[in-house]
Amino acid sequence: DQQVKQNSPSLSVQEGRISILNCDYTNSMFDYFLWYKKYPAEGPTFLISISSIKDKNEDGRFTVFLNKSAKHLSLHIVPSQPGDSAVYFCAASALGTDKLIFGTGTRLQVFP
Amino acid sequence: DTGVSQDPRHKITKRGQNVTFRCDPISEHNRLYWYRQTLGQGPEFLTYFQNEAQLEKSRLLSDRFSAERPKGSFSTLEIQRTEQGDSAMYLCASSLDGTGNQPQHFGDGTRLSIL
Repeated sequence: DQQVKQNSPSLSVQEGRISILNCDYTNSMFDYFLWYKKYPAEGPTFLISISSIKDKNEDGRFTVFLNKSAKHLSLHIVPSQPGDSAVYFCAASALGTDKLIFGTGTRLQVFP
Repeated sequence: DTGVSQDPRHKITKRGQNVTFRCDPISEHNRLYWYRQTLGQGPEFLTYFQNEAQLEKSRLLSDRFSAERPKGSFSTLEIQRTEQGDSAMYLCASSLDGTGNQPQHFGDGTRLSIL
């Protein structure tokens, strides 16, 4: 039972354009959502998070949007840069527990 | 500011052997987590500690797995009688123990290969 789903295994975007990565979840008890970026042979690196009481959080080129009614969140990267090429994981945790439930990841490739 | 440190980075062993991994969290972080990641999947939660107390264990953590954090600083994860299915990347993460949600920061993992 996959509680956090990233249905697009890969995404290719031209440098300078917007990258939009999507994530759906099924557990209505999730109250904290995070995005991580992972390069090969490295651990996941925290990018940005959002609490369920908000619908948007922005940090530089990265913005996360949360639509609770649709149980959907997205990560926008603008402008995209070649160094953004990595695997992006969506993760969530429920009230009362610290454990993160991860999606299967989306591989983003930003080409010149 | 040093990040989460894991040792060793790679471990190759024969089926049936015992292995132990070490994790050193970020110094001011009270919470420490272990995850396992296999190819094509996201990390899967195994267990976590607040200081030296183990607060939650996943059903993935069979009785061959044991984790400790004896002084509330570094942690060890031991796998006894390793099996082929234990081959994976074992990730450690840490976070602050404060009010509100805190992001978890990951180390670079220990890759375990069972021959």
